[in-house]
Amino acid sequence: GAVVSQHPSWVICKSGTSVKIECRSLDFQATTMFWYRQFPKQSLMLMATSNEGSKATYEQGVEKDKFLINHASLTLSTLTVTSAHPEDSSFYICSARDYGGQYFGPGTRLLVL
Amino acid sequence: AQSVTQLGSHVSVSEGALVLLRCNYSSSVPPYLFWYVQYPNQGLQLLLKYTTGATLVKGINGFEAEFKKSETSFHLTKPSAHMSDAAEYFCAVSDRYGGSQGNLIFGKGTKLSVKP
Repeated sequence: GAVVSQHPSWVICKSGTSVKIECRSLDFQATTMFWYRQFPKQSLMLMATSNEGSKATYEQGVEKDKFLINHASLTLSTLTVTSAHPEDSSFYICSARDYGGQYFGPGTRLLVL
Repeated sequence: AQSVTQLGSHVSVSEGALVLLRCNYSSSVPPYLFWYVQYPNQGLQLLLKYTTGATLVKGINGFEAEFKKSETSFHLTKPSAHMSDAAEYFCAVSDRYGGSQGNLIFGKGTKLSVKP
């Protein structure tokens, strides 16, 4: 139980395009979903927290217009990287929490050329 | 504010040797404490967590950690390392909100290498 999936696992895109990453809780309903960013050989940095049906809360320094988060249901959250640039290349990990704990997706590797 | 310090960004042990990964935390209230493991290009997998009760917590894959309030530590150990233990390990802390878990604060991680 408590499986979180992410799609796609890998994405390569051209600079200036937008990329959408999906995060799903497969066998539970998530009260809260989180998006993290991880640079090589570094820890996870929380980007934003979202609850179903409400606006995401972004961490300081994270551009909300750049990283659009939609939390349409208790099992689905999406992160859209708008007008991606090479510096947005990173490993993006989503996480979903219910009353039993917090569970992590497998991550999405984004490479912007 | 809460924080987590992992001593040693890289630890190398021989197969069969003791694994000790250090974690110290800072929190104004008794926190929840976690250890996660991350294999290359994968997400995080929970190894174990401390919420309340017994201070020695046993997790998956033979790992365990002991919550020591007086030392504000939550070190991760395994008696005998296996090649498959080679990975990145993250210690994390969260607040308690009415018995529920708050947001996770991660340490910088410790890369464990296991030599044959």
